[in-house]
Amino acid sequence: GQNIDQPTEMTATEGAIVQINCTYQTSGFNGLFWYQQHAGEAPTFLSYNVLDGLEEKGRFSSFLSRSKGYSYLLLKELQMKDSASYLCAVRDSNYQLIWGAGTKLIIKP
Amino acid sequence: ETGVTQTPRHLVMGMTNKKSLKCEQHLGHNAMYWYKQSAKKPLELMFVYNFKEQTENNSVPSRFSPECPNSSHLFLHLHTLQPEDSALYLCASSQTSLGDNSYEQYFGPGTRLTVT
Repeated sequence: GQNIDQPTEMTATEGAIVQINCTYQTSGFNGLFWYQQHAGEAPTFLSYNVLDGLEEKGRFSSFLSRSKGYSYLLLKELQMKDSASYLCAVRDSNYQLIWGAGTKLIIKP
Repeated sequence: ETGVTQTPRHLVMGMTNKKSLKCEQHLGHNAMYWYKQSAKKPLELMFVYNFKEQTENNSVPSRFSPECPNSSHLFLHLHTLQPEDSALYLCASSQTSLGDNSYEQYFGPGTRLTVT
């Protein structure tokens, strides 16, 4: 079956750096997405990786290793507004998005 | 503002009721999606429409009936639901769901549905 694994919850301190991991086992691979979802709000797109390596976008970076079935989202200079759930999703061979259950990130002052 | 709106935002209905959820996208996209989001579970894709044609139906019970009259509007008709259908129902749109592209999906704020 297809599976996306990410930690259920993480806690970090304001101003620090946090890495949220995502491992996947899917039938084929056509790209990996990260989304942010604040409580009670819509998920919003953060990043897309289809080739191995690091994609940087401001305070957020996303890394992909296709051979390891692994990605991470790196958040730097954490702010209180970064408290949210972070969803990892993989597009499989049928171009369907397979979603992880999300990682709830709690930022403490 | 994501460009995707959903109404109503909250809905409480009995198991014998019939109701409809509405989604509208103002982004000029050609694909629209219905998802179910339950607490601590992955997003579940329910239906996909491309250019008003349904291209995915992920074994969704017939008590959920989608309708896509045009590329900008999507409905989810509900009837004789069960308490386990209580969840957040999200609508999304993208340029297309077909082929190899990096087009991300834009989500609406969702309808919080409670079935009593």
